[in-house]
Parts: sequence; structure tokens; C-alpha cells
Amino acid sequence: DTGVSQNPRHKITKRGQNVTFRCDPISEHNRLYWYRQTLGQGPEFLTYFQNEAQLEKSRLLSDRFSAERPKGSFSTLEIQRTEQGDSAMYLCASSLEKTSGSGEQFFGPGTRLTVL
Amino acid sequence: AQSVTQLDSQVPVFEEAPVELRCNYSSSVSVYLFWYVQYPNQGLQLLLKYLSGSTLVKGINGFEAEFNKSQTSFHLRKPSVHISDTAEYFCAVSGRSKLTFGTGTRLQVTL
Repeated sequence: DTGVSQNPRHKITKRGQNVTFRCDPISEHNRLYWYRQTLGQGPEFLTYFQNEAQLEKSRLLSDRFSAERPKGSFSTLEIQRTEQGDSAMYLCASSLEKTSGSGEQFFGPGTRLTVL
Repeated sequence: AQSVTQLDSQVPVFEEAPVELRCNYSSSVSVYLFWYVQYPNQGLQLLLKYLSGSTLVKGINGFEAEFNKSQTSFHLRKPSVHISDTAEYFCAVSGRSKLTFGTGTRLQVTL
């Protein structure tokens, strides 16, 4: 399978704990995006990378959230001191961008986080 | 800033009937428009996209959408739905990077 993969698929944690999610994009894709989706809502943009550079961060991404893409391949999203409001589906997407910026984003299956 | 409005949170329809899911957008710049489908506990799959050119866009699974710049709309249509089309449908707009999604429309197809 050469699609976008995310691990773990499900994570249950207690409030105050740290969690880390991983995303492996389609291999030749240079852009990688993170979105968050809460129940009954559409996905909301968190951040994106072009290669290893983090180019944009949403105001939704508080200081407790950090994302990395160290070698321009896989990415990790860490949430420190989790809160119940962090419970959501975290989606990763990747795209091959040239100059137009119109590349299709391919989504992974998501990581569902439940904070108790 | 960009935004998307999906006017219908739920659309019930009988199998083999036609359906239209409505989407309106706002943007201060040229946009690209997308429709994604999400099945339970899965990620999003692209149905179709409008980048430029013909305003009538055909996608997978028999879906099509029409871009109307004057009405800032990008409604999704299918002439005859199937039970397997039951899912959540999201309209999205992008400039050159991130996608901005609507709140989704739940299409419920029944016999």
C-alpha cells in the first residue's frame, strides 16, 4: 500500500499526559499537512510542511502542540499536557506541489485521540 | 480569508433518486474547489476538484459538480444514488496550500 499511513490509529490517554502521532506520507510528496476533526465538524487546518520546513501554523496550534518533519519524509505531531478538549481525530495529508499550488491532498486514515 | 458554507447538515434520499448537496464559498483570491467523501472511521477521499477550465466537473462514483463564480457556489450532484453513497461529504476551498472545509453534509440513502 503506497498511501498515507498514520500510527497509531487509536490512542487513549489520561489528561496531562503527552502523546505523539506519526504520519508517513506518499513517498514522493513534498508537502505534508496536519488537520484536526472534532465530532460533527469538518477538518480544521493545523500546520503544514514543504519538505522539512514548517511553512504555516494555525492559531489552533497552541504552545502544547509541536510538529516536526526532520528529514522531509515522515512527520510527528506531539501534544503535551493533554486536555479533554484535545480529543479529536487527527488527520494527515500529503501532496506533490509544483508551482501552481493546486496539488491534490491525499489523506491518511487518521489517529483518534481520546483524553480521559 | 476563505470560508465554506454547506447549507444542509443532513440530506435523506431514497435509492435511485437524484441528489444535490449544496456548497457556497467565499474568498478574496482565486480558489480551487474540492469535494471529499468520508466513510465511517476512515480518512477523506477526493471525489472531484475544480482548478480551472470547464465549470462542470466530473468525478468518481458518478458524481459531478458545477462551479458558479457569480453565485460563489460549487454544488455536488448525482443523478441516481446508491446505498453505498451513504457517507459524510465535505466541500473545501484552497488557495495555494491549506484546505478550508465546510461542516459537512450527511447523505443518508435508504431503500
